[in-house]
Amino acid sequence: QQQVKQSPQSLIVQKGGISIINCAYENTAFDYFPWYQQFPGKGPALLIAIRPDVSEKKEGRFTISFNKSAKQFSLHIMDSQPGDSATYFCAAISGGSNYKLTFGKGTLLTVNP
Amino acid sequence: DAGITQSPRHKVTETGTPVTLRCHQTENHRYMYWYRQDPGHGLRLIHYSYGVKDTDKGEVSDGYSVSRSKTEDFLLTLESATSSQTSVYFCAISESDRKNEKLFFGSGTQLSVL
Repeated sequence: QQQVKQSPQSLIVQKGGISIINCAYENTAFDYFPWYQQFPGKGPALLIAIRPDVSEKKEGRFTISFNKSAKQFSLHIMDSQPGDSATYFCAAISGGSNYKLTFGKGTLLTVNP
Repeated sequence: DAGITQSPRHKVTETGTPVTLRCHQTENHRYMYWYRQDPGHGLRLIHYSYGVKDTDKGEVSDGYSVSRSKTEDFLLTLESATSSQTSVYFCAISESDRKNEKLFFGSGTQLSVL
């Protein structure tokens, strides 16, 4: 049972464009939603995270939009750069412990120069 | 990668052989985790540890065991490797187990079971 559905699987964007990755969940017990970024040959690294009591969180060019009623959240990368080319994972946690972190399947983003 | 060393980085082994992967951290973090990453599956938790000799199962623990005899080392053992265990294995650490605590990942071990 996939608890966090992520789309698209892959995404190609031109430099300067907006990259949008979407995630949906069913478990209403999820109460923390981090995004991880992974470059080839490296482990994932935390990029940005949001709690369900806010609808949007922005850090630089990266923004999470959260729709609690629809049980959806998305990552927007503004002014996408070739250096943003990576795999992005959305995730969700229920309860108080991060060992209950559930990842989406990942989106491979390619930003063309 | 936040003071995390995984060894080996690459390994090829045969079905039925035992395999041990090592994760070593220099951060003195209490919590350590083993994940596997497979195409189309994202990252899935195998086992985690919340202290020396304190470990518990994750969502895909069958066929794996772990040990933690020192704070800095977390070992993942495949008792009898199978082809379905071909994967990239990541170790992660965190200072606490709070949900908003950042996980730091190592660079991974690519394991091929032939």
